[in-house]
Amino acid sequence: EPEVTQTPSHQVTQMGQEVILRCVPISNHLYFYWYRQILGQKVEFLVSFYNNEISEKSEIFDDQFSVERPDGSNFTLKIRSTKLEDSAMYFCASSRGTGNAGELFFGEGSRLTVL
Amino acid sequence: AQSVAQPEDQVNVAEGNPLTVKCTYSVSGNPYLFWYVQYPNRGLQFLLKYITGDNLVKGSYGFEAEFNKSQTSFHLKKPSALVSDSALYFCAVRDNGGNEKLTFGTGTRLTIIP
Repeated sequence: EPEVTQTPSHQVTQMGQEVILRCVPISNHLYFYWYRQILGQKVEFLVSFYNNEISEKSEIFDDQFSVERPDGSNFTLKIRSTKLEDSAMYFCASSRGTGNAGELFFGEGSRLTVL
Repeated sequence: AQSVAQPEDQVNVAEGNPLTVKCTYSVSGNPYLFWYVQYPNRGLQFLLKYITGDNLVKGSYGFEAEFNKSQTSFHLKKPSALVSDSALYFCAVRDNGGNEKLTFGTGTRLTIIP
């Protein structure tokens, strides 16, 4: 069964450093997302991406965040200058794009620890 | 704006008993509703969804959920709980007006007691 894959599974970084989290969505999916979850609690929407551009973003997704689909398969989330409060589990998701009735398929997550 | 409320942080059920995990929602249009399950240190797995039609939807692992428009609820149910059902459950909503964002509730930790 196809799945969303994410790397790295865990990254530890120093405050102020840049981090790139990588995702390979399911191959025939058209919509891509990043969510984050702090300490196993609420799952928070960050950004959605369709047709090579951001379609929606939350207030969390400020100028320190960016997303990119550089080669038609990978989907990346970059945090330019990490803060302590960026420590969280980051989940990538994709959906087929059957309107907005389609469910999201999530990866296993990348745990980011900012020291 | 769309939102989801899961009023119970924790639900404990004896193995073999029926279980219910509660969810209420708020959207501006008609809702698309979803349940996801998260096992420890894992991603979110899709369980079931309501889009239209029959108010009772069936999903994976014997779970089902009932859509109640008048009460704006979408409670998750299972007739007979298994210890392996112990996990964190998230309800999520999206409106049908072209919005892509899926909004999640705060999650309910379900513990099945042997």
